[in-house]
Amino acid sequence: AQSVTQPDIHITVSEGASLELRCNYSYGATPYLFWYVQSPGQGLQLLLKYFSGDTLVQGIKGFEAEFKRSQSSFNLRKPSVHWSDAAEYFCAPPLELSFGAGTTVTVRA
Amino acid sequence: DAGITQSPRHKVTETGTPVTLRCHQTENHRYMYWYRQDPGHGLRLIHYSYGVKDTDKGEVSDGYSVSRSKTEDFLLTLESATSSQTSVYFCAISEGGYNEQFFGPGTRLTVL
Repeated sequence: AQSVTQPDIHITVSEGASLELRCNYSYGATPYLFWYVQSPGQGLQLLLKYFSGDTLVQGIKGFEAEFKRSQSSFNLRKPSVHWSDAAEYFCAPPLELSFGAGTTVTVRA
Repeated sequence: DAGITQSPRHKVTETGTPVTLRCHQTENHRYMYWYRQDPGHGLRLIHYSYGVKDTDKGEVSDGYSVSRSKTEDFLLTLESATSSQTSVYFCAISEGGYNEQFFGPGTRLTVL
């Protein structure tokens, strides 16, 4: 079965600093992977997705993610964090599987 | 924004009562999902549907049932609500099982 894990429950980062959120997947076939963001009190919004092809994927809000098969990872990055990036982030497989527990990002001034 | 609405948005009920949550879409997407979100657990899939009258269980389906008699509506029923079902419930839709999901605004359910 397809499964993803996010090792970091909570990350605090200073505004303007870089951000990297980890996601590991555990299935053998070419994975379909998504990153979603949930702002407080809101539903989830897609940041980016990977199906195949170029392993560096660009998303909205200045985010990017890199698929690394050798490390079974699909980490999310942003070079310079804004206060509005404070949210919960979910790495997700498609179809019938549940999302991971998510990573909460706090941005300090 | 994808046309997804959930009703009600907030509900307080008592243990043992039946509760039905409704998800309505205007996108004509084939797949619809129900999740619950609890602190420390992220989003957990309850049930999903891949077509009218076609549904399947997710990770946490015990105590829940679903129905989909029309493409646009996906109902989640708690036959006899328990306090452990206090949660925020999200509906989502997607064109296919490997496509991105679009989420509704959520329903906050409190079972006393």
